[in-house]
Amino acid sequence: AQSVAQPEDQVNVAEGNPLTVKCTYSVSGNPYLFWYVQYPNRGLQFLLKYITGDNLVKGSYGFEAEFNKSQTSFHLKKPSALVSDSALYFCAVALYGNNRLAFGKGNQVVVIP
Amino acid sequence: GAVVSQHPSRVICKSGTSVKIECRSLDFQATTMFWYRQFPKQSLMLMATSNEGSKATYEQGVEKDKFLINHASLTLSTLTVTSAHPEDSSFYICSARDETGLSYEQYFGPGTRLTVT
Repeated sequence: AQSVAQPEDQVNVAEGNPLTVKCTYSVSGNPYLFWYVQYPNRGLQFLLKYITGDNLVKGSYGFEAEFNKSQTSFHLKKPSALVSDSALYFCAVALYGNNRLAFGKGNQVVVIP
Repeated sequence: GAVVSQHPSRVICKSGTSVKIECRSLDFQATTMFWYRQFPKQSLMLMATSNEGSKATYEQGVEKDKFLINHASLTLSTLTVTSAHPEDSSFYICSARDETGLSYEQYFGPGTRLTVT
């Protein structure tokens, strides 16, 4: 079975500073990795994904993530955080050939003006 | 990009009644849709996988007779919460996978806030 760990409950960062949201995964095979963002009382919005190819993946709103197979990590990054980036971020993993997504617990990101 | 809609966005019902939530893929076909439940400030919990033309696959601990799922067409899945109780109050989110491509990406609906009084 696949699983995802997001070790921090909340990430606080000053506006303009780099933002990092950590994610590690466990899967017995090749992973498909995703990051989603959720604003209050809304569904999930897709940010980016890693399926294959380059380990550095660029996504929406200036976000990027790096797939690190040896560390089984897929940390989300943004060079310069905006106040509007304040939201709940979820990392998810799917096993190749399997539709089912396993989500991490989520990280609340607070960008301080 | 692909769009998934849910209806209603909010619903309040009395204890003992049933509520139906619709999930539609607006611009693509989906043989598989997923239903999640989310409690405040918590992650999404997969409830069931909805398969077009066949029975849904429920996750362990989810009562199939309480959460009825019907996937009658390639663009519509419904979740009916039967005999709702206050503990069923939650945020329900559906997703659908666009199977015309190979992206393995799931598109999520905006969610339905269910409050049972």
